[in-house]
Formats: sequence, C-alpha cells, structure tokens
Amino acid sequence: GENVEQHPSTLSVQEGDSAVIKCTYSDSASNYFPWYKQELGKRPQLIIDIRSNVGEKKDQRIAVTLNKTAKHFSLHITETQPEDSAVYFCAASQGVTGGGNKLTFGTGTQLKVEL
Amino acid sequence: KAGVTQTPRYLIKTRGQQVTLSCSPISGHRSVSWYQQTPGQGLQFLFEYFSETQRNKGNFPGRFSGRQFSNSRSEMNVSTLELGDSALYLCASSLAPPGPHEQYFGPGTRLTVT
Repeated sequence: GENVEQHPSTLSVQEGDSAVIKCTYSDSASNYFPWYKQELGKRPQLIIDIRSNVGEKKDQRIAVTLNKTAKHFSLHITETQPEDSAVYFCAASQGVTGGGNKLTFGTGTQLKVEL
Repeated sequence: KAGVTQTPRYLIKTRGQQVTLSCSPISGHRSVSWYQQTPGQGLQFLFEYFSETQRNKGNFPGRFSGRQFSNSRSEMNVSTLELGDSALYLCASSLAPPGPHEQYFGPGTRLTVT
C-alpha cells in the first residue's frame, strides 16, 4: 500500500521567514495530495491541495509543489506569522484510480513560529 | 453551510465494552471516511462509506465496523474495547465519487478506554 514520509518532524522559524515541509510517497498511482493544518485540540483543516496534473499551486502565502517523477511534494509558507504555528500533515490519495477517498497521511510536522 | 459534526465529543469506556460514534456530513456530501488519530500511529484510515456501502477499509481488526444511512450520516462501532483503542476518532465528508475530492474533518470524538 501507499506510504507517505514527511520531514522534518519539527520546524522552528522566526516570524517573517519561510517554512518548507517535504513529503515523499511510494505509490505512483497516487494523484491527489492535500495538506492539513491541525492546531492543538482542533480538527485537521484543509489548507491547500494539488492534483497530479499540476506542478504547483499557490494560495496567498501558501504554495505546494509536486514532482511526480521523484514522487515528492512540498508545502511552502512565506512570511510566517505566529498563527501559522500548528502541526501540518501531508497526505496522498489515489482517487479514481483506486482507493477512493482514502488518505494516507504523513507523520506530521510541528511548526513553531517564534517572535 | 454547517460543517461536519460528530457526537459525542468525549467518551470514557471500560475495557470490553462497546461504543458507537456518530458523524453527520456537510449537506450535499455523500461520502464519509473515518480516521483514527493517536500520538504513536498518527492519522490512520479506518473505512469509507458511500451510498450506504463500504467502499474501502483500512488495516484494522474486525472489532471496528461502520455503516452509513440513507441521509449520508454515518456511525462507527468498536466492540470489545481495548486500552489501545484510546484515540481521537475523526470523520471526514466529501462529495460523491468519482474523486478525488476535498475532505473536510469533523471535530472528532475523544475516546478514552480505561
């Protein structure tokens, strides 16, 4: 089955700096890659996603890139703010090619934005 | 539009008991997936339901089961509870297949088994 690895497990940046979180997946059939943000005691919140027919997607300060050949995708947060502090999870899904909506998650990255 | 809701939010059960958790998806969403979140294992897929049928199942023992009703609401049941079943159980709703579609999570049910 699919396996998703996520690095780093913890990331500390200064306010205003950029943060990058990287994930690799094992199954070339995966075609949908969402990112979730989970604050302490809260539900995972979808912040951005990318499909396999797109190499990059951006939404204000957040961007995701996908390299299908290397089977890795990354989350980029620019101009970080204290409210960006949370645990971020990447995930992969095979969608219509199999596996339905099943998401396989990475192990999470604890991002801390320091003042 | 109201988000995904889950009841109850907190549960304390004793080993050997059974428990039923409920999930109401976003209006118009017909697919419901369940996930278990623990500090040690992270977020793990349990199963997915669409049109009252289980479409997919994760690697959990048969003690974990679920169902979906005609109004898309879903329940999951855990029988013969074990200490290791203590976790946050999250459901996520999405549009009908074919996907993939964005999945939106509920607040979860925190289950503690003593």
